Amino acid sequence: GAVVSQHPSRVICKSGTSVKIECRSLDFQATTMFWYRQFPKQSLMLMATSNEGSKATYEQGVEKDKFLINHASLTLSTLTVTSAHPEDSSFYICSARLRGSYEQYFGPGTRLTVT
Amino acid sequence: QKEVEQDPGPLSVPEGAIVSLNCTYSNSAFQYFMWYRQYSRKGPELLMYTYSSGNKEDGRFTAQVDKSSKYISLFIRDSQPSDSATYLCAVKAGLDSSYKLIFGSGTRLLVRP
Repeated sequence: GAVVSQHPSRVICKSGTSVKIECRSLDFQATTMFWYRQFPKQSLMLMATSNEGSKATYEQGVEKDKFLINHASLTLSTLTVTSAHPEDSSFYICSARLRGSYEQYFGPGTRLTVT
Repeated sequence: QKEVEQDPGPLSVPEGAIVSLNCTYSNSAFQYFMWYRQYSRKGPELLMYTYSSGNKEDGRFTAQVDKSSKYISLFIRDSQPSDSATYLCAVKAGLDSSYKLIFGSGTRLLVRP
């Protein structure tokens, strides 16, 4: 149980284009999903918290107009990196909170490379 | 001072050894603690979670929390090469309705055959 999927697992895009990453909870309803960014050999950096049906809450220093988050249903959240630049290249990971608990279950991650 | 500190390692041990992984945290209000395992280029996998002080055991893994010293540990018995990964500790911060997890930097573990 508590499986989270992400799509795509890897994406290469050109500078200036936008990329959408999907995060789905496959066997449970997730009222809250989280988006993280991870640089090589570094820990997870929380970007934003996404609650179903409401606007995402962004961490300090994260540009909400650049990283658009939509949480349209209890099983799906999307992160869109708009006008991507090479410095946006990173490993993006989503997680979902199991209702009634504090544990977060992570997706497999999406490796974004902006050329 | 970081809210959660963790030695990045790498920690290299022979197969079968007992592994001790540790984190310290700064805020005595933290009450919920988790350990995640992350293989290279994969998302973190929840291993164990504990609430308040004490021990919790699950197979070869034991999580220990000492709130008096703000110290959390993960012990791995009979370590296997497949345990080679990065281990991340995490603490719950914030109110229940708007909480977030604060992660340590992760400790790289290598179990040598």
